Amino acid sequence: QLQLQESGPGLVKPSETLSLTCTVSGGSISNSSSYYWGWIRQSPGKGLEWIGSIYYNGKTYYRSSLKSRVTISVDTSKNHFSLKLSSVTAADTALYYCARHGPQGPMSPDHILTGSLSWFDPWGQGVLVTVSS
Amino acid sequence: QSALTQPRSVSGSPGQSVTISCTGTSADVGGYKYVSWYQQHPGTAPKLMIYDVSKRPSGVPDRFSGSKSGNTASLTISGLQAEDEADYYCCSYAGSYTFVVFGRGTKLTVL
Repeated sequence: QLQLQESGPGLVKPSETLSLTCTVSGGSISNSSSYYWGWIRQSPGKGLEWIGSIYYNGKTYYRSSLKSRVTISVDTSKNHFSLKLSSVTAADTALYYCARHGPQGPMSPDHILTGSLSWFDPWGQGVLVTVSS
Repeated sequence: QSALTQPRSVSGSPGQSVTISCTGTSADVGGYKYVSWYQQHPGTAPKLMIYDVSKRPSGVPDRFSGSKSGNTASLTISGLQAEDEADYYCCSYAGSYTFVVFGRGTKLTVL
């Protein structure tokens, strides 16, 4: 059974970089050429916001409003993918989830090129990151 | 990147049916057949309930169904059970620039 687990500091100072890792177990990222891997956040008491996703070959897709601050990377040897969000402010305080990100039907080179993204399943349990001095 | 519009709350009695709407635009819900729905109980991660508008993942009861008409997608839960009380979020593909947009969520109360 595929499981995802987020890890990283729960407290980050304003203007610094938030760094989180999502470790995948029960399956291999490199053998999962049919999926993407994504990050989603949920601010306290608020809704869900997609941050970005990555394909196992390193191709990334980012939320346009966060693109200048976000870097998502993948390490297939460690079977994990990571999120870095720079220049954080209190507005970045949230519960951060990682999830497998499904494609729009069978994966194809065109899907990878354009980012044909669909559903999220399964999700990690989430990690709360607070931005505060 | 405006969020999809969902009612803040809906309610129903056990055994009844409820429908949660998710309204977007032709740039997201109306333009693609890639709408998904998630159930979130307090303190837990979201769970995929419906994908590609109307497909149900393995293990999701057939009481949950999805549909779409124009720019509005809908999640219908029939035969309401107490355990269905949760927050529900819709999500849609929104093209190769925006990619993904979520709804603001709907709180379902089982009376």
